Amino acid sequence: NAGVTQTPKFQVLKTGQSMTLQCAQDMNHNSMYWYRQDPGMGLRLIYYSASEGTTDKGEVPNGYNVSRLNKREFSLRLESAAPSQTSVYFCASSEVASGVGTQYFGPGTRLLVL
Amino acid sequence: SQQGEEDPQALSIQEGENATMNCSYKTSINNLQWYRQNSGRGLVHLILIRSNEREKHSGRLRVTLDTSKKSSSLLITASRAADTASYFCATAHLTGNQFYFGTGTSLTVIP
Repeated sequence: NAGVTQTPKFQVLKTGQSMTLQCAQDMNHNSMYWYRQDPGMGLRLIYYSASEGTTDKGEVPNGYNVSRLNKREFSLRLESAAPSQTSVYFCASSEVASGVGTQYFGPGTRLLVL
Repeated sequence: SQQGEEDPQALSIQEGENATMNCSYKTSINNLQWYRQNSGRGLVHLILIRSNEREKHSGRLRVTLDTSKKSSSLLITASRAADTASYFCATAHLTGNQFYFGTGTSLTVIP
């Protein structure tokens, strides 16, 4: 099993460009999450999907949109990238909603917005 | 922000010594988890402790939880160079489906 996979691994964007970060899991997990990690800030939740067909905002959702394409895939879209969105983005999944479940993380996408 | 905080921010020890890191959080929790992150990698789950538990062990790891002080500690005994990583606590609150991660402790174990 590959676990949680993310593409791309690294991306450079210019301010105002758009892009979609892809995430897939092969563990048949119900819940999926997108985090961003900035130096000194730990991980902050952007959006999550507690189950297929649902999405909810996390702590820092502004500037992002998500799509739970099916049970396996959860994408994060930046419609108009800004330098403040330079960060490392992690996707995670868990069998049940995070109140009780262990989260499994992907390797991350490093995004630089110029 | 509902983020927790780890203390210390950075810790450097000799191989074979014990490493202790602490986590404080702000609201009542369902459970608390510790994760490890090697440089340039994703996070890996280490251990979960429920709000009605006070101590839990897993191999060389010992976690304590004091809900009255809203704090937890992670002890790594007999540390190895391979333990060099950042360690994060994450709290699951009584309501909602979110985790709140702390700011992390960077541990360096010197061979």
